[in-house]
Amino acid sequence: QVQLVQSGAEVRKPGASVTVSCKALGYRFIGYQIHWVRQAPGQGLEWMGWINPDGGGTSYAQRFQGRVTMTRDSSTSTVYMQLSRLTSDDTAVYFCARRREFQLLPGHWGQGALVIVSS
Amino acid sequence: DIQMTQSPSSLSASVGDRVTITCRAGQDIDNYLAWYQQKPGRIPNLLIYASSTLQPGVPSRFSGRKSGTEFTLTISSLQPEDVATYYCQKYDSAPFTFGPGTKVDIK
Repeated sequence: QVQLVQSGAEVRKPGASVTVSCKALGYRFIGYQIHWVRQAPGQGLEWMGWINPDGGGTSYAQRFQGRVTMTRDSSTSTVYMQLSRLTSDDTAVYFCARRREFQLLPGHWGQGALVIVSS
Repeated sequence: DIQMTQSPSSLSASVGDRVTITCRAGQDIDNYLAWYQQKPGRIPNLLIYASSTLQPGVPSRFSGRKSGTEFTLTISSLQPEDVATYYCQKYDSAPFTFGPGTKVDIK
C-alpha cells in the first residue's frame, strides 16, 4: 500500500537550515507529485509547495520563495524539503503528501516531522 | 495568489445541531475545493472533494455545496466525534492554499 515515511524530529538554531526527507513506498514514484504542508503549534495548515518527481519540477508558495528547495532522488524514491534561514516561526510539523489518483490535492500523508528552531 | 477565507473561525454547538462552515475563494476555482477534518495530533482527513463529493467512508451527515466562489460544509447533526478543526483547500492549480480553519466543539 502507499506509504510516505518521513525523517525524524530536528532541532536547529536560528539562521540554520533543515532538510526533511520523505520516502515513498508502494507505488510508482515518478507518477505522482508530492506536496509539502506545514503546521505550526496550535496553528493551521500551510501549503509550502510541491515537486514533480518526474523531472523534478517544483512550485513554491510565494512566502517561501528563495528559502525553500524541494528535490528528489529517484534511485531511492525519496523527496527532500530544505528550508533555510530558519527563525522561531518555522517551528512546526512538516508533512509530505502524495497527490491523489486523478486529482491534484493531497491524498496519502506522511507521519510528519517536527522541526524545532530554538537558540 | 488566490486567497481562501473561512468563517466562522470557531463555533460551539449542541449535539444534534446543524452546523455550517463557509469558505470563500478570492476568484473562480471552478469546483476544485476540498474539505478536511483534523483532530489534535492527527494528520488531516479528507472529507469532501470536488466541492460536494463525499470521500468513501465519511458519514453522510457531512455535505458540501458550491455557489459561485462560496463553498459550504454542513454537518447535518453534530456528533461528539465531530469535534475537530475543519479546513478548506483549493486545488485548481498551485498554490494549493488552505483556508485558516474553523474549530468546532460541543456546547
